[in-house]
Amino acid sequence: TQLLEQSPQFLSIQEGENLTVYCNSSSVFSSLQWYRQEPGEGPVLLVTVVTGGEVKKLKRLTFQFGDARKDSSLHITAAQPGDTGLYLCAGYTGNTPLVFGKGTRLSVIA
Amino acid sequence: EPEVTQTPSHQVTQMGQEVILRCVPISNHLYFYWYRQILGQKVEFLVSFYNNEISEKSEIFDDQFSVERPDGSNFTLKIRSTKLEDSAMYFCASSPRRLTNTEAFFGQGTRLTVV
Repeated sequence: TQLLEQSPQFLSIQEGENLTVYCNSSSVFSSLQWYRQEPGEGPVLLVTVVTGGEVKKLKRLTFQFGDARKDSSLHITAAQPGDTGLYLCAGYTGNTPLVFGKGTRLSVIA
Repeated sequence: EPEVTQTPSHQVTQMGQEVILRCVPISNHLYFYWYRQILGQKVEFLVSFYNNEISEKSEIFDDQFSVERPDGSNFTLKIRSTKLEDSAMYFCASSPRRLTNTEAFFGQGTRLTVV
């Protein structure tokens, strides 16, 4: 069973600070996706990374897929209160369904 | 923008009753999924469905669960005899092809409360 470990579990920062959250596994993923989930709502897709070493940017969010395709990171620059939410990584090995990590709950304080 | 829609948003049912959760996937998608999320826990895979049959299912998806695509647009999850531990958010998702390098799009979820 692939296990996606996300860290930190909780993160509380001041508006304007930078942060990085991590998603790690011992399994190799053919693709890895980052979602953001608001309370009581479904996960909303942010990005999909496919190639080892790939970096994708979405405004102030930078996503990186590890060279070995076993890990990923999400970096947020100059965090804003609107970035508050649960950030989930999810991966697909090609043989099994999409599996999710437990998420990092981010709180950005104004 | 196309989206996955789920109804109802909240369902309260008594233990032992049957419930049907409904989903309308994105229209040109071919693969459909149900996931659940117990409060405070991770999103867990239940079942995937393609070409009118189950393609994969997890250990959670036991004989109490069934899925159906009764027409060209709806995708349903039925729980025959609900248990207290079935209380969770249930998410439907769809993708244009089998998840390899493609994304799954999730609905807003149905909060099922079994009392």
